[in-house]
Amino acid sequence: DIQMTQSPSSLSAFVGDRVNISCRASQSIGVHLNWYRQNLGKAPNLLIFGAATLHSGVPSRFSGSGSGTEFTLTISSLQPGDVGTYYCQQSYRTSLTFGQGTNVEI
Amino acid sequence: QVQLQQSGPGLVKPSQTLSVTCDISGDSLTNNVVSWFWIRQSPSRGFEWLGKTYFRSTFYFDYAVSLKGRLTITPDTSKNQISLHLTSVTPEDTAVYYCARQGQWLNLDSWGQGILVTVSS
Repeated sequence: DIQMTQSPSSLSAFVGDRVNISCRASQSIGVHLNWYRQNLGKAPNLLIFGAATLHSGVPSRFSGSGSGTEFTLTISSLQPGDVGTYYCQQSYRTSLTFGQGTNVEI
Repeated sequence: QVQLQQSGPGLVKPSQTLSVTCDISGDSLTNNVVSWFWIRQSPSRGFEWLGKTYFRSTFYFDYAVSLKGRLTITPDTSKNQISLHLTSVTPEDTAVYYCARQGQWLNLDSWGQGILVTVSS
């Protein structure tokens, strides 16, 4: 299976800060990379797919970049509603794999 | 709007079969550009892909090798639902089980609410 590694595992930032979350794949996955946010006790919600395409209804302060093995999720101006755990996930192989998550706090 | 509603028992005894159902609304199980996944999440292993089914004139199935043949996914077109059946469960199968739709852009764009299933005697 393709291993996905996120960093940092957690972060705390102020409202209005720019936040970056990194995701590394153990082999090249092109742009087959998706980002989700999960709040406690809830299912994940899709934020970005294809490494850089914003899912419908997701605020434009979210953006994604990268290809191959290195990817980044950026929140340009952190808002209180952005708290939660963020996961990257590769869809290059049917055996989908996820990163271990990045917990974002205000 | 696609909605996935899951149902199933919260507690299963070791060696028994774990079954969870996912009712689909807002889309058809026979949509030939999407796939339907089962995924679980546990504190020890994180997210784990279990299997998928998809319709391309007939139903196809893929299962995680790690489950060693214990998993069966059954689609029911009359009820527009899919079910997961995991046999010979152990406490290591304790997790939150999710169904999810993988859209044509290979993202999981709709998820069930998740069901915590505990394997314990």
